[in-house]
Amino acid sequence: DVVMTQSPLSLPVTLGQPASIACRSSQSLVHSDGNTYLNWFQQRPGQSPRRLIYKVSNRDSGVPDRFSGSGSGTDFTLKISRVEAEDVGVYYCMQGTHWPWTFGQGTKVEIK
Amino acid sequence: EVQLVESGGGLVQPGGSLRLSCAASGFTFSYFWMTWVRQAPGKRLELVALMNRGGSEKYYVDSVKGRFTISRDNDKNSLYLQMSSLRAEDTAVYYCARGGAPGTTDFWGQGTLVTVSS
Repeated sequence: DVVMTQSPLSLPVTLGQPASIACRSSQSLVHSDGNTYLNWFQQRPGQSPRRLIYKVSNRDSGVPDRFSGSGSGTDFTLKISRVEAEDVGVYYCMQGTHWPWTFGQGTKVEIK
Repeated sequence: EVQLVESGGGLVQPGGSLRLSCAASGFTFSYFWMTWVRQAPGKRLELVALMNRGGSEKYYVDSVKGRFTISRDNDKNSLYLQMSSLRAEDTAVYYCARGGAPGTTDFWGQGTLVTVSS
């Protein structure tokens, strides 16, 4: 199975400051169809996961533009340009290129 | 509005069985692949089963193969997960999630808790 490794696992951030989460896969996530199926999810306390980003850098409808995704191959990043209070939660990367689809361990974002 | 509502969770003894259901609304259910994802305490999310639109293709993670069966009824806009030979390590919140496109899930339900314990 493809192992997804996130860092850091805990990220205390000051309101208004940027935050960055890294996700590395144990093998390339480039699919034979040419797409890279790397997703980012946000799970706020007490809620189910919500998709933020799909195919590395495509933001879902309704997701604030302070969230952005980048990367290629095996290395990916989720950036929050200016953290707001509502961004508190756990963030997961997930690869959908190789079955079984697999998730990272999660990064807990909290306000300092 | 897309809605996915899971039900059927509960407490079951090791070796027992349980059937989870997911009622879908707000979209054309038969157009979408569907998945079950679980979240065990202290563990990462795990996508356990995936099914195509018509139900002819099913995929399972190794840890549940032979014990879990995913199915769907497109006429009833419903997804199911039949779980048998349950183990303590199957204890988790189980989410129904829509496959919005290849390689992704775009909407998730609120989850149903399954506890396997004697």
